[in-house]
Amino acid sequence: QVQLQESGPGLVKPSGTLSLTCAVSGDSISSSYWWSWVRQPPGRGLEWIGEIYPGGSPNYNPSLKSRVTMSVDKSNNQFSLKLASATAADTAIYYCAKDSGYRTEDWGQGILVTVSP
Amino acid sequence: QSALTQPPSASGSPGQSVTISCTGTSSDVGGYNYVSWYQQHPGKAPKLMIYEVTKRPSGVPDRFSGSKSGNTASLTVSGLQAEDEADYYCSSYAGSNWVFGGGTKLAVL
Repeated sequence: QVQLQESGPGLVKPSGTLSLTCAVSGDSISSSYWWSWVRQPPGRGLEWIGEIYPGGSPNYNPSLKSRVTMSVDKSNNQFSLKLASATAADTAIYYCAKDSGYRTEDWGQGILVTVSP
Repeated sequence: QSALTQPPSASGSPGQSVTISCTGTSSDVGGYNYVSWYQQHPGKAPKLMIYEVTKRPSGVPDRFSGSKSGNTASLTVSGLQAEDEADYYCSSYAGSNWVFGGGTKLAVL
């Protein structure tokens, strides 16, 4: 059973870059799956941020595309998210997940990131 | 892309059935048979309940079922149980990206 664990700063300053990493265990990041990020502002719904396929081009939410960068680190079996020019609206719980075909069955526990001075 | 439309709330008594709708467009729900439903309890990560419109992952009770007609997908929970009280989100493939619904809070009265 794959396990995913998000890590990164819990506090980011406005206009700074939000950077998170998702460590994958129990599966290889190079396996034939997409790896994705989803966020959830406190008390609100889920928002798809994007997905990345090792060796392929990532897909991003069009509303975030100009600020998002995703990458895969095969040597450390992990993938990452960077969100530039952060604002308070980016305050959310960020989840990493594994997409097995056209479904997301495995999720990390989530990490709360607050954007504040 | 716009979020899929779900009713904010739904409710039912134990043992009853409840159906939650998820309306999109021909560019997402109506265009692909890749609609998923997630259950989320407070403080927990989402849990996949239905994928590819009608399929249930291993371990999900058969009380949960999915369907789709045109641009609207539906999740039906039969034989409601107290533990079904949670937030439910639909999600649809939209061609190189995914879109979620706004979520429905299901109350078991």
